[in-house]
Amino acid sequence: AQSVSQHNHHVILSEAASLELGCNYSYGGTVNLFWYVQYPGQHLQLLLKYFSGDPLVKGIKGFEAEFIKSKFSFNLRKPSVQWSDTAEYFCAVNGRGNKLVFGAGTILRVKS
Amino acid sequence: NAGVTQTPKFQVLKTGQSMTLQCAQDMNHNSMYWYRQDPGMGLRLIYYSASEGTTDKGEVPNGYNVSRLNKREFSLRLESAAPSQTSVYFCASSQGVGGETDTQYFGPGTRLTVL
Repeated sequence: AQSVSQHNHHVILSEAASLELGCNYSYGGTVNLFWYVQYPGQHLQLLLKYFSGDPLVKGIKGFEAEFIKSKFSFNLRKPSVQWSDTAEYFCAVNGRGNKLVFGAGTILRVKS
Repeated sequence: NAGVTQTPKFQVLKTGQSMTLQCAQDMNHNSMYWYRQDPGMGLRLIYYSASEGTTDKGEVPNGYNVSRLNKREFSLRLESAAPSQTSVYFCASSQGVGGETDTQYFGPGTRLTVL
């Protein structure tokens, strides 16, 4: 069975700090990888996704993620966070023949 | 396009009461999903419908039933609510027929409290 692990449940950063949110998954086959974001009071929306090709994926709002197959990881990064990035971030994995499995989420708070 | 809509936004039930959560999408998507979101546990799939006329269990189906009424609508029913079903419920849809590469589009959620 698939599982997704997000290392930090709460992260607090100051504006302009760099961000890296960890995501590891367990599934031996081909996977499709997603990061979703949930801003306060809003519903989930797609931040970025990886299916194949270049393992460095760029998403909206300056976010990027790198797929490292050997480490079963898909970490989310942003060089300089803004107060408006305060949100909960979910990593999700979809292996062949399976349904999307979400991690527990990481709550990011950016201090202005 | 409204995208994915859900009703109601909030609901309080007493233990043993029943209710149906409604979901509709106007994107002509084939697949629809129901998730529950609990603190520290992320989103867990309750039921899904890969196409009109089909439904399948997800990770946590116990205590729930679903109906894919037509291509647009997918409802979730709690027959006898329990406090353990207190959660935020999200409906989602995607274009493909259960496609693994599909992006899912989410509704605004229903916050349900069972006393």
